[in-house]
Amino acid sequence: KQEVTQIPAALSVPEGENLVLNCSFTDSAIYNLQWFRQDPGKGLTSLLLIQSSQREQTSGRLNASLDKSSGRSTLYIAASQPGDSATYLCAALLWSGAGSYQLTFGKGTKLSVIP
Amino acid sequence: EAGVAQSPRYKIIEKRQSVAFWCNPISGHATLYWYQQILGQGPKLLIQFQNNGVVDDSQLPKDRFSAERLKGVDSTLKIQPAKLEDSAVYLCASSPGARDSPLHFGNGTRLTVT
Repeated sequence: KQEVTQIPAALSVPEGENLVLNCSFTDSAIYNLQWFRQDPGKGLTSLLLIQSSQREQTSGRLNASLDKSSGRSTLYIAASQPGDSATYLCAALLWSGAGSYQLTFGKGTKLSVIP
Repeated sequence: EAGVAQSPRYKIIEKRQSVAFWCNPISGHATLYWYQQILGQGPKLLIQFQNNGVVDDSQLPKDRFSAERLKGVDSTLKIQPAKLEDSAVYLCASSPGARDSPLHFGNGTRLTVT
């Protein structure tokens, strides 16, 4: 069974600090890895998508890396702001064995940025 | 562009009752997904449609859950009869169809079964 694990489950940092969120997955035959943000009572917003052939993707203050061999991805947030407070989920697109690729999510890391 | 629309936003029912959720994906998106997100968990795929055909329903509890996507656009997800453990947020997502495209999620329907 494919699993995606995110550590830590919660993180609190002061405003302006750089931080790293971690994601690990059990299946190295990953098609791509996606990072999402979820605000309370809302759906998920796609932040970054990394193809299996890529090592990293950047968008503004966000940088996501992918290491297939070790089964790990990190999301780096530079100069954190209170508006970054949300739950961050990573999801790996893996072959499901049921005839399709399926996106498997971690449980998320709840980030609080303290002003 | 308009986002993924879902209704209702909240629903409270008693166990053994029936409930239906509706989703309107982004215009032109061929692929539609229904996910179940239990509190404190990541979303779990229930069913994936490509146009109006089912691609993957391996995790759909077919004895009580059903879904359809008529004309390859809107979709409904039904639960009949509901159980307490069905309390969750039901998220609809859509994508243009390619595996390389990110998913766009609606705000979800929060279901409480009492």
